[in-house]
Amino acid sequence: GQQLNQSPQSMFIQEGEDVSMNCTSSSIFNTWLWYKQDPGEGPVLLIALYKAGELTSNGRLTAQFGITRKDSFLNISASIPSDVGIYFCAGELKNSGYALNFGKGTSLLVTP
Amino acid sequence: KAGVTQTPRYLIKTRGQQVTLSCSPISGHRSVSWYQQTPGQGLQFLFEYFSETQRNKGNFPGRFSGRQFSNSRSEMNVSTLELGDSALYLCASSFGQPGYGYEQYFGPGTRLTVT
Repeated sequence: GQQLNQSPQSMFIQEGEDVSMNCTSSSIFNTWLWYKQDPGEGPVLLIALYKAGELTSNGRLTAQFGITRKDSFLNISASIPSDVGIYFCAGELKNSGYALNFGKGTSLLVTP
Repeated sequence: KAGVTQTPRYLIKTRGQQVTLSCSPISGHRSVSWYQQTPGQGLQFLFEYFSETQRNKGNFPGRFSGRQFSNSRSEMNVSTLELGDSALYLCASSFGQPGYGYEQYFGPGTRLTVT
């Protein structure tokens, strides 16, 4: 599959801080999805994006579908301890059906 | 609405054996996708089934196979297990049809350890 470059690899922040992470690729994607995975569990869908330039929020989470269709961003505002986990971006290439390409993940640690 | 369920949750097998993992999708979802998650390679797409037909396949050897039943439940099989097959196997379900989006919902996974 196509490589998605997700950064940063890890973040260690204090409660209340805002967080930003992103995914980039050399390929054009039709869909961007953001997931959060807790230890021992499957990824949980946070936000789905379908249009270039689209900005979508889910509570304290906001994600954007890049204008070039080759990138996406996820922001978390006012982080809390339960935000701890690994965040993954996933993209669906045009005509690839339901095969998602995943980034390597951003590990987020939040200290009280 | 019940989520995606996977059985078993944990499995220990010996090299050379074969294993079958099971996945029940969210009610109403007809597409089931399988992914392998390892620390080194991350999440990698194995295959996707819709209405009992494999629609898409990732870059894995033929030892990895799957099937889907008429009730949309799916199984994946790995034959002649190798140490490198140790991983978390995740199944995800979706509507799988145009107009319903590409959102996939994951189960908790099956942790396979090959010794």
